Amino acid sequence: QVQLQQWGAGLLKPSETLSLTCAVFTGSFDNYYWNWIRQSPGKGLEWIGESDPTGSSNSNPSFKSRVSISVDTSKNQFSLRLTSVTAADTAVYYCARGRWLTMNTGYYFDYWGQGTLVTVSS
Amino acid sequence: DTQMTQSPSSLSASVGDRVTITCQASQDISNYLNWYRQKPGEAPKVLIYDASNLETGVPSRFSGSGSGTVFTLTISSLQPEDFATYYCQQYDSIPLTFGGGTKVEIK
Repeated sequence: QVQLQQWGAGLLKPSETLSLTCAVFTGSFDNYYWNWIRQSPGKGLEWIGESDPTGSSNSNPSFKSRVSISVDTSKNQFSLRLTSVTAADTAVYYCARGRWLTMNTGYYFDYWGQGTLVTVSS
Repeated sequence: DTQMTQSPSSLSASVGDRVTITCQASQDISNYLNWYRQKPGEAPKVLIYDASNLETGVPSRFSGSGSGTVFTLTISSLQPEDFATYYCQQYDSIPLTFGGGTKVEIK
């Protein structure tokens, strides 16, 4: 059974950098996309971005240049960095595996991490 | 961005009821639409992918339909574990976006 286990700092001050890591246990790291998604009461579920195993990534333009997603295939881990956080970044952050069933159809998040509550407060 | 609008935002129903949730996309997304169920304190779990395909292991009381801009999720006979929040999600274009959610509560 595939498991995603995530960790990182849960309390940040405004302007600091959010840093989270997600480890993938049991299952291939290749052939999937590795995603970060957050959930806040005000904005519901929000996709942050994704990376493939080579490190090629896409991110939500709403985050402008604040987001970076990296992968470490030697450890089967991927990470999120979000710079210059504000109170609006307070949310539960999830890592999730994205899978394609075929070349261009059937893309969905089939495994998720347990979620990390990140609070931004001075 | 493709905006996803769900309706209703909440509903009350009883065990055994038939429930239908609608998701409308702001532009044509073909069938690139997934449905998730989220129980309190848990991560979302996929139920339906590509608008109408049941994920492995998901009970057959769940079904999905639609294409283009209007989609529906139907639960044919509501079970106690189905009292949760449901989200649609499109993957036609980046950024991937979710609907605002539909909370199904016990009547």
